[in-house]
Amino acid sequence: GQQLNQSPQSMFIQEGEDVSMNCTSSSIFNTWLWYKQDPGEGPVLLIALYKAGELTSNGRLTAQFGITRKDSFLNISASIPSDVGIYFCAGQPNTGTASKLTFGTGTRLQVTL
Amino acid sequence: DGGITQSPKYLFRKEGQNVTLSCEQNLNHDAMYWYRQDPGQGLRLIYYSQIVNDFQKGDIAEGYSVSREKKESFPLTVTSAQKNPTAFYLCASSMGGHLYEQYFGPGTRLTVT
Repeated sequence: GQQLNQSPQSMFIQEGEDVSMNCTSSSIFNTWLWYKQDPGEGPVLLIALYKAGELTSNGRLTAQFGITRKDSFLNISASIPSDVGIYFCAGQPNTGTASKLTFGTGTRLQVTL
Repeated sequence: DGGITQSPKYLFRKEGQNVTLSCEQNLNHDAMYWYRQDPGQGLRLIYYSQIVNDFQKGDIAEGYSVSREKKESFPLTVTSAQKNPTAFYLCASSMGGHLYEQYFGPGTRLTVT
């Protein structure tokens, strides 16, 4: 099955820095979701986006649904150690089966003090 | 508290044995899903069910079987036909229809030797 391309694959940042990551697809998506996964745990939903151009915040996290509907971006401001983990994007393709999501390959975030 | 439970957290089996992983949700969600995650990899869909007594194969269904006799339960059986069964298995659920947000359980790590 198709997977979304996420970049960067991994990143090391210093505590307090802002983080940006993105997710791209060759096809149009109706919905974009962002998840965070801690080691050995299930992913936790952070933000859901349903409309092209939509910008949504959840605390220090902000995500945007790209205008072309083929990409999405996640920003984390003023990172803290507990931001460490793997961030996955997921989308519902325009031509896909209702309720089936396509997942990205993940961005591993590590924060140094 | 509403949520998804998976049990057990860790499971060990000998090669050639079938094993069933449990997934229960009390969110009153119509749709349920099983994913497999290998180290450093994204999520791959095994099976999904949009309604009771109905389920569909995902991208990697070979060697797995499921049932959906009750709305709140979606057990996954890893059969002896699955060539590489050792992995982290995640169950998820969603309301279904045009609501694509999936919520995940804590996962079961299966080790087959």
